[in-house]
Amino acid sequence: TQLLEQSPQFLSIQEGENLTVYCNSSSVFSSLQWYRQEPGEGPVLLVTVVTGGEVKKLKRLTFQFGDARKDSSLHITAAQTGDTGLYLCAGASWGGTSYGKLTFGQGTILTVHP
Amino acid sequence: KAGVTQTPRYLIKTRGQQVTLSCSPISGHRSVSWYQQTPGQGLQFLFEYFSETQRNKGNFPGRFSGRQFSNSRSEMNVSTLELGDSALYLCGSRQGETEAFFGQGTRLTVV
Repeated sequence: TQLLEQSPQFLSIQEGENLTVYCNSSSVFSSLQWYRQEPGEGPVLLVTVVTGGEVKKLKRLTFQFGDARKDSSLHITAAQTGDTGLYLCAGASWGGTSYGKLTFGQGTILTVHP
Repeated sequence: KAGVTQTPRYLIKTRGQQVTLSCSPISGHRSVSWYQQTPGQGLQFLFEYFSETQRNKGNFPGRFSGRQFSNSRSEMNVSTLELGDSALYLCGSRQGETEAFFGQGTRLTVV
C-alpha cells in the first residue's frame, strides 16, 4: 500500500511570511501533483512534477520533486491572505495494482492572517 | 473547454436509501476516477474507469459501485446508505497517464 505523509497538518502564519509543506513516502511515484482546495469545492491542480530533482515555479510558489521521486515540497514566498486553503499532494503510479490511482496526502490547512 | 461537471452538487438521503452520482469528464478525456473525501480519512480512492471498463478499485465495500458509458460519462452508486457515507464525492478526469482534473464534487449527507 502506497502512503504519502504530508506535514505539517496545520499552518497559521502572518502575511509576508514564508512557508514550506512536505510530502514524503517510501514508495516511488511516476509523478506527483499538488492541488489547492477551497471549502466545499473540488481540488484545483497547481502543478505536476514528473522528473526526479525537478523544480517548478508558479509565481510565489516553488515545487520540488525529490531525486528518488519519493518526496516533494511546496514552498510559498511572502504568503498572502489569498493563499489560505487546503493544500494536497497526490502521487500517481502507472504500474501494477496502483495504476491510475492517486494516493493523497492528508493535506495541509494553511491560514494566512493579514 | 468545459471542466469536469458533477451533479448534483448537494444531496440529502436517509439511511438505507441508495444514491446515484453523475460525472461528465472534460471533453476528450476517457479516464474517470472517483474519490471519497471526509475530514477524518482525507481523499480515498474508490475506482477508476476507462473505456467503460473498471480498471482499478479501492478498498470500499460492495455497496459502492460505478459504471462508465460510451461517451465517457460516469456514474457511481451507493446502496443501503450508512451515516458514515456522508462525504464529498469527487470525480477526476484524465487523458492518458497525466494529471487528474477534478469537479466541484457532490456533497452527500446521510441522515
